[in-house]
Amino acid sequence: NAGVTQTPKFQVLKTGQSMTLQCAQDMNHNSMYWYRQDPGMGLRLIYYSASEGTTDKGEVPNGYNVSRLNKREFSLRLESAAPSQTSVYFCASSVADNSPLHFGNGTRLTVT
Amino acid sequence: QKEVEQNSGPLSVPEGAIASLNCTYSDRGSQSFFWYRQYSGKSPELIMFIYSNGDKEDGRFTAQLNKASQYVSLLIRDSQPSDSATYLCAASTSGTYKYIFGTGTRLKVLA
Repeated sequence: NAGVTQTPKFQVLKTGQSMTLQCAQDMNHNSMYWYRQDPGMGLRLIYYSASEGTTDKGEVPNGYNVSRLNKREFSLRLESAAPSQTSVYFCASSVADNSPLHFGNGTRLTVT
Repeated sequence: QKEVEQNSGPLSVPEGAIASLNCTYSDRGSQSFFWYRQYSGKSPELIMFIYSNGDKEDGRFTAQLNKASQYVSLLIRDSQPSDSATYLCAASTSGTYKYIFGTGTRLKVLA
């Protein structure tokens, strides 16, 4: 039982490059989320998908786009990476709103 | 701005003692509260969640919620060096899909 799987684990980009972070969950959860974690800032919500077919902005959506490909998969795209997007990115899922989040192992992204 | 506040620590306790971690939240509409443990370089791992006022126990862990005071705490009994980690408190409100996280309290259990 893998839970929430994120790829890649590490990535280095140059300013202006694009990339997609992949996330898949096998727990049959309805809701999925993308967070970023920066020192001293805590976890901040980028985008979420309450259910298959829906996506909504979180606290810090600028510079990102998401796709809920199906119930299992939720991807995060950086179209033109900036140094301010250097962070650790976590995907999470929950069975429903207000229920516990289950996190993936994270992607450590560095933008130079 | 809805906030969850935690003392950043470090909170140092000797092995075998009780560690008490505290968290306050600003949104009176918050309904669910979560404690996560995060080891350095790893992802947050759910320890406990609590929805109702009072205490909830699970093994060595007890979560306490006081909605009137907007206060959540986590007690760890018989603390072990393996409990040394950062503990994140989070609050959520039904219908928003938004979980507000504190910045975490770093716990050090001294052998």
